[in-house]
Amino acid sequence: NAGVMQNPRHLVRRRGQEARLRCSPMKGHSHVYWYRQLPEEGLKFMVYLQKENIIDESGMPKERFSAEFPKEGPSILRIQQVVRGDSAAYFCASSQSRTGGNYGYTFGSGTRLTVV
Amino acid sequence: DQQVKQNSPSLSVQEGRISILNCDYTNSMFDYFLWYKKYPAEGPTFLISISSIKDKNEDGRFTVFLNKSAKHLSLHIVPSQPGDSAVYFCAAPRYQGAQKLVFGQGTRLTINP
Repeated sequence: NAGVMQNPRHLVRRRGQEARLRCSPMKGHSHVYWYRQLPEEGLKFMVYLQKENIIDESGMPKERFSAEFPKEGPSILRIQQVVRGDSAAYFCASSQSRTGGNYGYTFGSGTRLTVV
Repeated sequence: DQQVKQNSPSLSVQEGRISILNCDYTNSMFDYFLWYKKYPAEGPTFLISISSIKDKNEDGRFTVFLNKSAKHLSLHIVPSQPGDSAVYFCAAPRYQGAQKLVFGQGTRLTINP
């Protein structure tokens, strides 16, 4: 039973390009969360999705960032026209249900985005 | 608005001794707290949690203490082992029942042999 799979592990983009980060939740998990960790900082919530629905995107920057979790396939975090400040580690987590004793989060290993 | 704060970026402890990691919070509405452990190049893994109705929760070598009046929690690891070297984050749901967590900045723990 594979854990939360994120790919790519490392992604290098030039300023102005698009970055696509993928997250496949654990089998049976229908809730996906994206967090971003800037250097020397803690994780910051970005967005919470269920299949085909964005539930809470209050942590997403208003421009250039979007997320989806289609009926089939992985969740995608898309960053258009990347800038150097987007360089960070992006973590995806999944859970089976909306609530859980430990919040049921299982994190993936993250995608480290570097914008050059 | 840093609602969860870990003021010590790093901590070095000798193997076998007690490690104490601290966390302060500002939002008195927080009712549940979690500690995550993170190794380099890996995602955070859940370690231990505590509800605000308790002041202590223990799981093997790990104990979390909660002082609601001081808005302070701490994670005790005893005895510390080399494999405990990692970054530790405290976190809390943004509001009761919220799915999103607010994380502290993390404390890098190094266990020296």
